[in-house]
Amino acid sequence: DVKVTQSSRYLVKRTGEKVFLECVQDMDHENMFWYRQDPGLGLRLIYFSYDVKMKEKGDIPEGYSVSREKKERFSLILESASTNQTSMYLCASSLLGRRALGNTIYFGEGSWLTVV
Amino acid sequence: GENVEQHPSTLSVQEGDSAVIKCTYSDSASNYFPWYKQELGKRPQLIIDIRSNVGEKKDQRIAVTLNKTAKHFSLHITETQPEDSAVYFCAATGLIGGKLIFGQGTTLQVKP
Repeated sequence: DVKVTQSSRYLVKRTGEKVFLECVQDMDHENMFWYRQDPGLGLRLIYFSYDVKMKEKGDIPEGYSVSREKKERFSLILESASTNQTSMYLCASSLLGRRALGNTIYFGEGSWLTVV
Repeated sequence: GENVEQHPSTLSVQEGDSAVIKCTYSDSASNYFPWYKQELGKRPQLIIDIRSNVGEKKDQRIAVTLNKTAKHFSLHITETQPEDSAVYFCAATGLIGGKLIFGQGTTLQVKP
């Protein structure tokens, strides 16, 4: 059974703080993703990575960065948290797919971040 | 750019009725179309998916249909039950293999 683990479920941070959200998967998946979920906006892709040290911008990368030093771990970094980054963050992973041919994405439990 | 539109945003049905959720996608090269169900406070989980070489797929009370010419696909739930109440997301593959573009989500409420 695929397991995607997000280390923090609930966080409260102050404006301007640096925030790290950690994600680990145990299925040797090449692809890892960070999504943001907001009511009425669905799941929006922030960044994704298809290999160690590789990263690609998603639809809403501004204000975020990522790090993938090991295949199983993908970190989302908020360099200076702002109130408009209050949201639910979902990490996910999948096997590498060919162009436009995807594979099942498995999600973590989510991290609820509140920036005050 | 890549886009997936999902309708309706909310759907309320009586237990036992059918529910239909529709999605359209923009990239004609998309070949994989999954549907995810997210119960309150939980992670989205895959419930059914379809690839472009298939027009319809069924799994017990849920089915998905795909019209590649019109670039739309739909989720059908028959004999709905209260435990079907959740947020449902459709998705389609983007230009880079493995990347999924999600719809905005549909909140389904099944009234007992």
